[in-house]
Amino acid sequence: RKEVEQDPGPFNVPEGATVAFNCTYSNSASQSFFWYRQDCRKEPKLLMSVYSSGNEDGRFTAQLNRASQYISLLIRDSKLSDSATYLCVVNELNSGYALNFGKGTSLLVTP
Amino acid sequence: DGGITQSPKYLFRKEGQNVTLSCEQNLNHDAMYWYRQDPGQGLRLIYYSQIVNDFQKGDIAEGYSVSREKKESFPLTVTSAQKNPTAFYLCASTPAGRTEAFFGQGTRLTVV
Repeated sequence: RKEVEQDPGPFNVPEGATVAFNCTYSNSASQSFFWYRQDCRKEPKLLMSVYSSGNEDGRFTAQLNRASQYISLLIRDSKLSDSATYLCVVNELNSGYALNFGKGTSLLVTP
Repeated sequence: DGGITQSPKYLFRKEGQNVTLSCEQNLNHDAMYWYRQDPGQGLRLIYYSQIVNDFQKGDIAEGYSVSREKKESFPLTVTSAQKNPTAFYLCASTPAGRTEAFFGQGTRLTVV
């Protein structure tokens, strides 16, 4: 399957900072896009879906640019509890709707 | 409460042995998936099943086998043919018409 690329980080930021993660995907036929969060040694959990019009959930904003095959996640006013790995995820029809995961970007928010 | 249950949480296997990882869901989801995660790596698809009695190979199916005899259950067998089985194994499911996956808590398999 084609790739989903993310900057692995780590991103070390102070509390209250704004941080942005970027992701590119190579399969132009991809249909659905997500950001998942994974804590150390735990399962991934859905953070938010990503829509073409952009969407916001509290301090989190996701953007999708289909023409550039680019997805972003912005976290404002970072909290210590935001420390985790953020996975960019793309859905592809040719794998029975199985999700294709990037390797993740590690975020550490410090006091 | 509805969810996906994987067992066991930790599993140790001797080289040359087959071992089966359990995945059960009571969410009434049609599709189920098995992923493998290695340290510092993303999730890689092993097998998936969209309906009972049908399943398809993912990107790294060699050395693994699955069955889907019931909608609720999708066990994964790691065979002795899998050369490097030590990893974190994650089972997921998705409801019909949706693509967001829900994950079990994972099984850490270590070959000793």
